[in-house]
Amino acid sequence: DAGVIQSPRHEVTEMGQEVTLRCKPISGHNSLFWYRQTMMRGLELLIYFNNNVPIDDSGMPEDRFSAKMPNASFSTLKIQPSEPRDSAVYFCASSLRGSLGNGYTFGSGTRLTVV
Amino acid sequence: AQTVTQSQPEMSVQEAETVTLSCTYDTSESDYYLFWYKQPPSRQMILVIRQEAYKQQNATENRFSVNFQKAAKSFSLKISDSQLGDAAMYFCAYHNTDKLIFGTGTRLQVFP
Repeated sequence: DAGVIQSPRHEVTEMGQEVTLRCKPISGHNSLFWYRQTMMRGLELLIYFNNNVPIDDSGMPEDRFSAKMPNASFSTLKIQPSEPRDSAVYFCASSLRGSLGNGYTFGSGTRLTVV
Repeated sequence: AQTVTQSQPEMSVQEAETVTLSCTYDTSESDYYLFWYKQPPSRQMILVIRQEAYKQQNATENRFSVNFQKAAKSFSLKISDSQLGDAAMYFCAYHNTDKLIFGTGTRLQVFP
């Protein structure tokens, strides 16, 4: 298994532009999570999906952020318009719900820089 | 709400020595999981060790072991025979139901 695949690995964009981050979870996993990591706030859970359905988006910072999971093998996190304070590393993780003991498998993250 | 606290922002250890990283958490649940994740400079999140709350026996994975004190809500990580490759950020995490909640991390330096 190739693990959780995120793209791009790095993204540099100008303030006001739309940014789309992509994630392919591990095949067979039915839960998907988006985290944001910054020096100031650490690892924050933004949103998670169970069986492609958004369950809790209370961590999404504001309306500029949106996430979708159109099928079991793909999810996107979109920021529109982007702002410099959105600069962070964004992680996607997946797991098999009901197998908590296995923890989550994380992707390599997308480092987003908004200038 | 569940919270996870790592009170040591940085720790250092000499190669081949032992170091313990601290973690406390707050929850009213009785059944949950606890994890330690390692994040090296490559930024990959790597699962180091896990503990089920209903198991009294402390988990061990090679040089990594935990001291799980359920009543005290404490979950420390001991790294024995430290190696240069152990240098990384270490995150304690709590999981029940659907969410994995992380502490703020401890940066571990390993000196030769």
